[in-house]
Amino acid sequence: GEDVEQSLFLSVREGDSSVINCTYTDSSSTYLYWYKQEPGAGLQLLTYIFSNMDMKQDQRLTVLLNKKDKHLSLRIADTQTGDSAIYFCAVTYSSASKIIFGSGTRLSIRP
Amino acid sequence: DADVTQTPRNRITKTGKRIMLECSQTKGHDRMYWYRQDPGLGLRLIYYSFDVKDINKGEISDGYSVSRQAQAKFSLSLESAIPNQTALYFCATSDRSSYNEQFFGPGTRLTVL
Repeated sequence: GEDVEQSLFLSVREGDSSVINCTYTDSSSTYLYWYKQEPGAGLQLLTYIFSNMDMKQDQRLTVLLNKKDKHLSLRIADTQTGDSAIYFCAVTYSSASKIIFGSGTRLSIRP
Repeated sequence: DADVTQTPRNRITKTGKRIMLECSQTKGHDRMYWYRQDPGLGLRLIYYSFDVKDINKGEISDGYSVSRQAQAKFSLSLESAIPNQTALYFCATSDRSSYNEQFFGPGTRLTVL
């Protein structure tokens, strides 16, 4: 079945890089996403990667996809206090238009 | 103005009551979704609709029903609320683009006593 897993918490020092990891079970994924949820708000798409790509970079964000290990990561360079949020990994498949979400990783920033 | 709105934003109710959560969108999207969020469990899909005449169950539809009154409106009902339906509920929309980005409302916090 389809499953997406990620750790629940991550704490980093301000200015350091944050790396949030995600694993998924179904290798027929087409698009993989990172959504951000700030306190009291809904989710917002941060970035996405197509399954035939290995890496995507967008300013401070780098997404790495290892299809062999079914592993997706999000690296945030120079982490700032405004990056504090819950980050959700999500996957969609060609056979369905639904998106499967992970449990979310709460990123906290310490001074 | 927000593209996806949800009403109410907060609701406290008692066991056995009927509750309706409403979602409206101005994005012109065909597809609409209802999710619930519980701590440590992420988002789980309750129901989704790809157009006005299309309604599909998600992974946790028991105890819930939906109505797609128009392209822009999708409501979620709890016929007889129970305490384990206490959660944060999100509505989302998407169009038919290939990468299926979903746009979320601000959420409704429901507490069932």
